[in-house]
Amino acid sequence: ETGVTQTPRHLVMGMTNKKSLKCEQHLGHNAMYWYKQSAKKPLELMFVYSLEERVENNSVPSRFSPECPNSSHLFLHLHTLQPEDSALYLCASSPGLGEPAEQYFGPGTRLTVT
Amino acid sequence: GQNIDQPTEMTATEGAIVQINCTYQTSGFNGLFWYQQHAGEAPTFLSYNVLDGLEEKGRFSSFLSRSKGYSYLLLKELQMKDSASYLCAVKDSNYQLIWGAGTKLIIKP
Repeated sequence: ETGVTQTPRHLVMGMTNKKSLKCEQHLGHNAMYWYKQSAKKPLELMFVYSLEERVENNSVPSRFSPECPNSSHLFLHLHTLQPEDSALYLCASSPGLGEPAEQYFGPGTRLTVT
Repeated sequence: GQNIDQPTEMTATEGAIVQINCTYQTSGFNGLFWYQQHAGEAPTFLSYNVLDGLEEKGRFSSFLSRSKGYSYLLLKELQMKDSASYLCAVKDSNYQLIWGAGTKLIIKP
């Protein structure tokens, strides 16, 4: 247990569906992240939030929409996804942005788009 | 561009020693991290280097040479449970983590 939880753990959705991924951290951290992990590729940073403000959006398509209602919760809303969006989506948190401290990861949501 | 290189896959024998290399080219440097990721699980933190030299933590050690843009993770007395992917990541000048694709380590009895 890393103190970061994600739900659901597995999700299968059609290209016309709308779904949301949820992340919660119990570590009192101020920064939260969404990553995409595809097989044999580096982790791709999607979004970064610091104190509930989005500070980074790495050219992610608009069909992915993040939401951070407070410093403990992070959502990723999904809409009209493509099959190439199938991947493991990881949430992480850290004490702050400009610090050397490591990031703590949740177990991920395995997403399959059919 | 920014780049992290590490071998795709390595195989080693139980009880032996293995060294996983990582080379990097990034915009600035604010530390290098190693993470372990078992299949289907979250990456977990192993080590952090910001100064040159060797950091030892039990069976695992990590080395850094900033002038060479090079690090390695050394695993001693390998156990079957060490079979996992090992991810190298560097914090750049903006404190963003730049990730390698990971090295899949296979341990054979």
